Amino acid sequence: DTEVTQTPKHLVMGMTNKKSLKCEQHMGHRAMYWYKQKAKKPPELMFVYSYEKLSINESVPSRFSPECPNSSLLNLHLHALQPEDSALYLCASSQVGGRWTQPQHFGDGTRLSIL
Amino acid sequence: EDKVVQSPLSLVVHEGDTVTLNCSYEVTNFRSLLWYKQEKKAPTFLFMLTSSGIEKKSGRLSSILDKKELFSILNITATQTGDSAIYLCAVADTGNQFYFGTGTSLTVIP
Repeated sequence: DTEVTQTPKHLVMGMTNKKSLKCEQHMGHRAMYWYKQKAKKPPELMFVYSYEKLSINESVPSRFSPECPNSSLLNLHLHALQPEDSALYLCASSQVGGRWTQPQHFGDGTRLSIL
Repeated sequence: EDKVVQSPLSLVVHEGDTVTLNCSYEVTNFRSLLWYKQEKKAPTFLFMLTSSGIEKKSGRLSSILDKKELFSILNITATQTGDSAIYLCAVADTGNQFYFGTGTSLTVIP
């Protein structure tokens, strides 16, 4: 088990559904990330929140909508997804500041399947 | 365009062998290079390298960075079946953005 908790672990949804992925960490990290990972590919960065503000949006379609309600929680709201959006969605967190980069801690991911 | 390239893409070895995984990068405003191991789920952190020539070591794993030639290697000695995984190299820039390589898939056969 990791220190970053993601729910649900698996999600199957239709293209017209609305659902949300949730991520929680209690390590006091102030940077949180969403990644999308397809099979046998590296994680692709989607969004970065720093101090609860969106700092990076990697040209992600608007059917993905992130939200950071507080420093411990990160949500990803899904609406009208396409079959090609089926993937493993990983959340990560890291400390911010200091001279050196802080390594990211990853959750186990939500495996999303779009029918 | 910033990029991170890993080689080989996949590798199959026998238990007890030593392997070397490569990571080269072209990232503006480089800050650090990180290695992760990913089995079925979350990538787990192995090493973070910020300075050239200083080896980081943890058990049978070690890694070193060359900031002049823009590459890093990850060595695994006396491999075991539990080392089978995808090894990801990531480079962080000064904006706290992480660029991941394509990964090397390692399979260790008993």
